[in-house]
Parts: sequence; C-alpha cells; structure tokens
Amino acid sequence: EPEVTQTPSHQVTQMGQEVILRCVPISNHLYFYWYRQILGQKVEFLVSFYNNEISEKSEIFDDQFSVERPDGSNFTLKIRSTKLEDSAMYFCASSHPGEAFFGQGTRLTVV
Amino acid sequence: GDSVTQMEGPVTLSEEAFLTINCTYTATGYPSLFWYVQYPGEGLQLLLKATKADDKGSNKGFEATYRKETTSFHLEKGSVQVSDSAVYFCALSLPLNRDDKIIFGKGTRLHILP
Repeated sequence: EPEVTQTPSHQVTQMGQEVILRCVPISNHLYFYWYRQILGQKVEFLVSFYNNEISEKSEIFDDQFSVERPDGSNFTLKIRSTKLEDSAMYFCASSHPGEAFFGQGTRLTVV
Repeated sequence: GDSVTQMEGPVTLSEEAFLTINCTYTATGYPSLFWYVQYPGEGLQLLLKATKADDKGSNKGFEATYRKETTSFHLEKGSVQVSDSAVYFCALSLPLNRDDKIIFGKGTRLHILP
C-alpha cells in the first residue's frame, strides 16, 4: 500500500541551527502539507503546497520556515534558525486531493 | 474561525466498556468530518470519516454520525479493547478551500485497562 515516508524519525539540533525535514509523498498526489504537534498539544496546520507553490500557510509559518519540492518526489520543510519552541513532532501529508495520508512524523528536539 | 472541540482526556476505561468521545465543530462552510487515531510511537491514521449530514462513518468497530443540527461528530465503540489505547483526534476539512487543509481538535488520550 502506498505511504508517505518521512526522514529522519528523530532529529536533535542546537538552537540557531538550520534543519531540513524530508518527506516523500505518495507518487500521484498533488497536494502536500506540513503539520506540527507540540508535545501533548493539538496537531496544527503549517502549510499547504500545490503546483509548486504555497497555497496556504498559517501564522506559525513565518519567515524562518520554507518548503520546497526540489525534484518531483521529495517535499522538504526547512527551519532556518531553530528555536527551543520549534521542538515538536512534524507530520507531512499528501492528498490527491481527497483523503490526506500522513507520514509517521519527525520528532525535532531543539536543545 | 473554523475549529474543533473535543472532550479532554485522558479517558480510562476497562476492556469491553462502552466508549464515547465527544466532538463538536464550528465551520463557516459545510465541512467533511474525520476521526484520526495516533497509536503510541506512530503517526496519524484516518479512522473514519463522513462527508455530509446524517452520514455514519465506521471502521474497526468505531462509529461516528455527522449531526449538522448539533454540529457534532461523537466517536463511539460498543466494546473497547486494550489495543484501542491511543490518542484520538476529531478533525474537519472544508472542501471549498483551495486545498484540503485539516483542522484538528486537541486530541483525547484513551487508556484501556485489561
């Protein structure tokens, strides 16, 4: 069964460093998303991406964040200068549109 | 704005007990409604969904009915198992949006005792 895959599963980084979270969406999907879940809190929408551009972003998705689909298969989330409060589980999702399929998540820990 | 409110957890039940997790929503349009489940150490999985009023979504013994008059989508299961221990998220999406952005509730942690 096709699935969304995310790497790494866990990343630890120092405050101020740049991180790139990687996702491989399902191959025939057209919409791509990043969500964030701070420990013990709700899952929050960050950004959606369609036709090689951002279609919507939340207020959380400030200038420190960027997304890219560099090669037609990967979908990445970059955080330019990480802060302690960026520590969270980051989920990638894709849809055809229709049902969104989620990856297993990347747990980012900023120290 | 659009939002989802679900009952606070954790919810602790004995095996074979009846489960209800309440969920209500606020939406400017006519949303699709979902329940997602997150098992320990895993990602989000779609448990069930309903796309119009009075639809009933069901999967793995869980059910939820889309109630437009009460703006609710309560999750129920007649007899829970230890393996149902997980965090359950009620969610909505608005199909008139350009994309299928999902708005989640805060999640309800369910713990089933053997």
